Amino acid sequence: DIQMTQSPSSLSVSVGDRVTITCRASQGISSWLAWYQQKPGKAPKSLIYAASSLQSGVPSRFSGSGSGTDFTLTISSLQPEDFAIYYCQQYNSYPRTFGGGTKVEIK
Amino acid sequence: EVQLLESGGGLVQPGGSLRLSCAASGFTFSNYAMSWVRQAPGKGLEWVSVVSGDGGSIYYADSVKGRCTIFRDNSKNTLYLQMNSLRAEDTAVYYCAKESPVFDYWGQGTLVTVSS
Repeated sequence: DIQMTQSPSSLSVSVGDRVTITCRASQGISSWLAWYQQKPGKAPKSLIYAASSLQSGVPSRFSGSGSGTDFTLTISSLQPEDFAIYYCQQYNSYPRTFGGGTKVEIK
Repeated sequence: EVQLLESGGGLVQPGGSLRLSCAASGFTFSNYAMSWVRQAPGKGLEWVSVVSGDGGSIYYADSVKGRCTIFRDNSKNTLYLQMNSLRAEDTAVYYCAKESPVFDYWGQGTLVTVSS
């Protein structure tokens, strides 16, 4: 199975800050990497697929990069509605696997 | 508009069984693989199982293999997860998700609690 490791597990930031979350796969997954956002009590929401492609309707302050084993999710200027938990997920093979999540909290 | 609506969760004793359902609408159901993903209280996301659009290809997580069966009825646009020999560690919110191949749409989830 492919293990996905996210860092940090949490971070405290202010509105307007730039946020960077990293995700590392235990083996190469090309660009078969997705990012999701989850708010309390809600289902996850798809943000990015193919490592860097934004889902329709996702604000352009979100961006993704990377390929192979190392990936990054960046929020260029954090907005109040962005406080949430973010997960990466590989879809290179089954079983699909998720990172442990990064909780973005208000400083 | 794509909608996924899970049902069937509840409280069940260890060793018991439960069948979850996911009613889909707003897309051509038979064209897409569908997965179940679960989330234990306060924990992260865990993929459980997937079934291809025609039902012919199925995969399971090791944690549920041999205890769960995924299947679908394309005539009813419904996905199912039959869960047997339930354990306390199966306690979670269970989401169904459309695969394209990322999980682009999710249901609201149904809570399964395994406890005596």
